[in-house]
Amino acid sequence: AQTVTQSQPEMSVQEAETVTLSCTYDTSESNYYLFWYKQPPSRQMILVIRQEAYKQQNATENRFSVNFQKAAKSFSLKISDSQLGDTAMYFCAFGATFGNEKLTFGTGTRLTIIP
Amino acid sequence: GAVVSQHPSWVICKSGTSVKIECRSLDFQATTMFWYRQFPKQSLMLMATSNEGSKATYEQGVEKDKFLINHASLTLSTLTVTSAHPEDSSFYICSARDWRLAVNNEQFFGPGTRLTVL
Repeated sequence: AQTVTQSQPEMSVQEAETVTLSCTYDTSESNYYLFWYKQPPSRQMILVIRQEAYKQQNATENRFSVNFQKAAKSFSLKISDSQLGDTAMYFCAFGATFGNEKLTFGTGTRLTIIP
Repeated sequence: GAVVSQHPSWVICKSGTSVKIECRSLDFQATTMFWYRQFPKQSLMLMATSNEGSKATYEQGVEKDKFLINHASLTLSTLTVTSAHPEDSSFYICSARDWRLAVNNEQFFGPGTRLTVL
C-alpha cells in the first residue's frame, strides 16, 4: 500500500515571496503519478500540478514547480511570487498507473499568504 | 471541460433519516467515480470506488450497508447515507474519471456536500 506524508501542517509566507511545501511517499510501484491539489476555503479541489514518475524533468505550471526526486521518494511544491489567492490547504497525492485508480492523499499543509 | 457537480451542496437532516447525494459529470462520461469523506481540517479519506454498471468497491472500515453507492449511468453516481446519525456529519466529495481520457490518472472533483445530522 502507498503512503503519502506531508510533514508541515501549517506554513505562512509574505506575499511575493517563494515557499516550498514538502511531500514524501512510499511505494513499491515503478511507474506512477504524483499530484498537488489545492483546496481553498470554498473546499473545491483544484489540481495545481502533476508529475509522471517516468519523466525525469520536473513539471512546471506558471508560478508552480515541483522538485521530484524519485530515488528519495520526494515530491516538493515550490510556489514563486506567492499571491493572496494561494492561501489554501495543499494536498500531495499519489496515483498508480494501472489497475488501482485510487488516489492516496497526504494530510495536507495549510498555507497562508500574508499581505 | 471536465466539470463535476454535486447536489445538494448542503443538507441538514434528522437522526435516523436517509440522505441521498448526487454526483454528475457534466461534459464527459465518468467510467469511474470515487466518494471521499473529509472531516474538518483533515485530509480526504476514500470511501469507495464505483465503476459504471457494477457494484462499488468499499474501502476497509466503510459500512457498505450504511453508505449505499449507485453508479447506474456514465454521468451519475449517488451516495445514500442510510439511517444517518450525528457522527455521519461530514463533508462528502465525489470525483470522476474517464479511463479513455485520463491517461495521466487525473480525477475531476465535485464541489462537495456538507451533511449535518441533528
